Amino acid sequence: GAGVSQSPSNKVTEKGKDVELRCDPISGHTALYWYRQSLGQGLEFLIYFQGNSAPDKSGLPSDRFSAERTGGSVSTLTIQRTQQEDSAVYLCASSLRKEETQYFGPGTRLLVL
Amino acid sequence: DQQVKQNSPSLSVQEGRISILNCDYTNSMFDYFLWYKKYPAEGPTFLISISSIKDKNEDGRFTVFLNKSAKHLSLHIVPSQPGDSAVYFCAASLGRNFGNEKLTFGTGTRLTIIP
Repeated sequence: GAGVSQSPSNKVTEKGKDVELRCDPISGHTALYWYRQSLGQGLEFLIYFQGNSAPDKSGLPSDRFSAERTGGSVSTLTIQRTQQEDSAVYLCASSLRKEETQYFGPGTRLLVL
Repeated sequence: DQQVKQNSPSLSVQEGRISILNCDYTNSMFDYFLWYKKYPAEGPTFLISISSIKDKNEDGRFTVFLNKSAKHLSLHIVPSQPGDSAVYFCAASLGRNFGNEKLTFGTGTRLTIIP
């Protein structure tokens, strides 16, 4: 009965480096979401996957951000050429179907120096 | 442009009393509202929700009130318990027919229950 898991829990990187953040959704959940929370801000929607449909990327802040979901399960969020403003907590959530309650993982705290 | 606003960053309430957390929104297309609770180092957990066709939804100690004309909702916790100490996020979506998947969150209110 595992919940949503994310790795790593913390990541410190240097400006300009690429990072990959991983999300393992709840088994059987068809919808997967990425959000981020910058300091003093609410959670900001980034991208959404539903089954085999094309992802909704409307929340990605720049083309340095990309995400994929392999086999309808695990998802990876990639940030290329990281900038200091990318520092945030990146949260993944999944739901049984897109209209159902979203369950969140513990997040990955990213710090770009 | 913050479409969902929680104007009180923090709130302290005596144990046993009522906690009232407030949330305002600007997008009149929002049709479904949720409250999430977050403990440190954990992801937000769903607490309670309300559809715009209702003005009140109750679940145990938690009640959410919606005033559509004022674009305002509130979460009441009564009686407040020490375990309720957490950050509470208000969230809104366009509703199940228009993309419930995109939640727009407020900045959160840190609730502290004083024993």
